[in-house]
Order: sequence, then structure tokens, then C-alpha cells
Amino acid sequence: QVQLVQSGAEVKKPGSSVKVSCKASGGTFGTYTISWVRQAPGQGLEWMGRIIPILGIANYAQKFQGRVTITADKSTSTAYMELSSLRSEDTAVYYCAREVEMANWYFDLWGRGTLVTVSS
Amino acid sequence: EIVLTQSPGTLSLSPGERATLSCRASQSVSSSYLAWYQQKPGQAPRLLIYGASSRATGIPDRFSGSGSGTDFTLTISRLEPEDFAVYYCLQFGSSSYTFGQGTKLEIK
Repeated sequence: QVQLVQSGAEVKKPGSSVKVSCKASGGTFGTYTISWVRQAPGQGLEWMGRIIPILGIANYAQKFQGRVTITADKSTSTAYMELSSLRSEDTAVYYCAREVEMANWYFDLWGRGTLVTVSS
Repeated sequence: EIVLTQSPGTLSLSPGERATLSCRASQSVSSSYLAWYQQKPGQAPRLLIYGASSRATGIPDRFSGSGSGTDFTLTISRLEPEDFAVYYCLQFGSSSYTFGQGTKLEIK
């Protein structure tokens, strides 16, 4: 049974970058798309972008364009989300999620989340 | 970008009661692209409903989804203690996905 295993918590300085990983354990990404979603403390869910690992094609929410880069290594079934120019408002839990795109679209599998804290 | 507005923001009910949660879209959303999630503190979201009305695997039949176009509803027929959580709707439209701001279902 596939699980999405994310990298550990990070503490970063304002202005720096963070790179979070998401590995498919017990299987591969196959033809699935992987999305990244974040949640600031006490706030709602926010979609950041997605990647189709077998094609290496990514697209991003307009809010994060130019600041986020999502990549994937299909050989290891690992996806990465790099966010640059960090500010305190980027403190959040970052989730990866597997996307089902068939007759219906939805996220069926989620990682446990990675807490990124931005603080001087 | 399609904006999803959930109401109410907070819903206070007792176990055994019926809960009705609303998700309204700023423009029409295909039912195929509308899903509902439940989130408990410290946990990742859990898929409840996809395709606006199909229950995900393992989801009890007290959860049901309905609606089309711009108005969608999640109904919990008889609340169990474990149902008190935050609920989000999510739409997958035109290469940019958006969540509603969430409805917190709390014990009265």
C-alpha cells in the first residue's frame, strides 16, 4: 500500500529557501499527479501547485508563481517543493497529495505534512 | 480563479443531530471536480466525498454530498462524536485548484 512520506520539519531564516520532499513508499507515483498544499497555523488549506512526475510538467497557483518550484524524480518516486524568499507568513504545514484524475478528480492520498517555521 | 465560500463558518450541534454544510462557487464547477474533506487537529485532510456525491472508500453512509453548478452541500445525517472536525470543499478547475475556507463543526 502506497504511502507518501515527507521530509522532516525545517526552521528557516527570512529570505532563505526551503525544499521539502515527498516520497512514495511501498510503490511508485505511476501516472499520478502530485500536488502541494499548505496550511498556516489555525488557517485553512491552500493549493500551491502540482507536477506530473512522468512528464516533469508543473503548474503553479498564481499566488506562488516565481517563488515556488515543484520538481520530481520519477526514478525514486520523489517529489520536491522548493519555496524561496521565505517570510514569516510562509510558516505553515506543507502537505503533498496524490491526485486522481479520471471521471472524477480528487486527492486520495496525503502525506503527513512538513512543518516549516520561518523565524529570525 | 474560482472562489469557494463555505457556510456557516462554525456550526454548533449535538451528537445525533443533522448537519448541513454549504459550499458556494463564484462560477460553475463541474460536479466531477468537487470534493469534500474532513480534517482533525494535527492530521492531514481525509477524503469524504468526490464527484460531489460519491462517498470515498470506508466513509460511513451518514455522510452524503449533493449539488451542482455553483451550490454544493455536505450532509451528515446523525452526528457521531468523531464527526466534530473542520470540513473543506475543494474544486479542481481550469488548472488552478481552490479550497473553501472551511466549516468548523463543534459540539454544542
